[in-house]
Amino acid sequence: GAGVSQSPSNKVTEKGKDVELRCDPISGHTALYWYRQRLGQGLEFLIYFQGNSAPDKSGLPSDRFSAERTGESVSTLTIQRTQQEDSAVYLCASSSYDSPLHFGNGTRLTVT
Amino acid sequence: SQKIEQNSEALNIQEGKTATLTCNYTNYSPAYLQWYRQDPGRGPVFLLLIRENEKEKRKERLKVTFDTTLKQSLFHITASQPADSATYLCALELEYGNKLVFGAGTILRVKS
Repeated sequence: GAGVSQSPSNKVTEKGKDVELRCDPISGHTALYWYRQRLGQGLEFLIYFQGNSAPDKSGLPSDRFSAERTGESVSTLTIQRTQQEDSAVYLCASSSYDSPLHFGNGTRLTVT
Repeated sequence: SQKIEQNSEALNIQEGKTATLTCNYTNYSPAYLQWYRQDPGRGPVFLLLIRENEKEKRKERLKVTFDTTLKQSLFHITASQPADSATYLCALELEYGNKLVFGAGTILRVKS
């Protein structure tokens, strides 16, 4: 069946531009996560959506980062005024009540 | 502060041997601990989940132990194969439905 889909798979942008990353979770999954993974590093939690509850935004590194999710469907992660330190792979994952996380293959963001 | 620590050095072992990876945590009382595998350029893939009241969990050649007194989980791969070479991540869930926090991962290399 279809897994978690992320787009684009690669994004190169100039410093100062805004970018929008998209995640299509597995249908029926109520939970959705965004993580950031810098080269050779572990997964850094960014934001967590669970059903209709208020999202846990405690991992967003600055107010340049925001994310939205409409119901239990698509989520977008927006980074405004990108900086070189934002270069990383951005991973999305979804899960349902009794399942572990299912990850997409990420969006590799390069800020030049 | 809360920390999840995994072997920072890569683990190199010979094919057929048992690989043992460690996950230590401080200032957490997780309800669940999970192990994931990540291959280059891919998102992590779920392997095993162990609950706080479970000492050990097995799945084929994989075994996970969870010692809440030592605040440690061990992940074993028996009869290792070159195809087991990957990065292995542990993750903690403080309570069901809460966010999942990851360690930095340990690189395993199995040589034939």
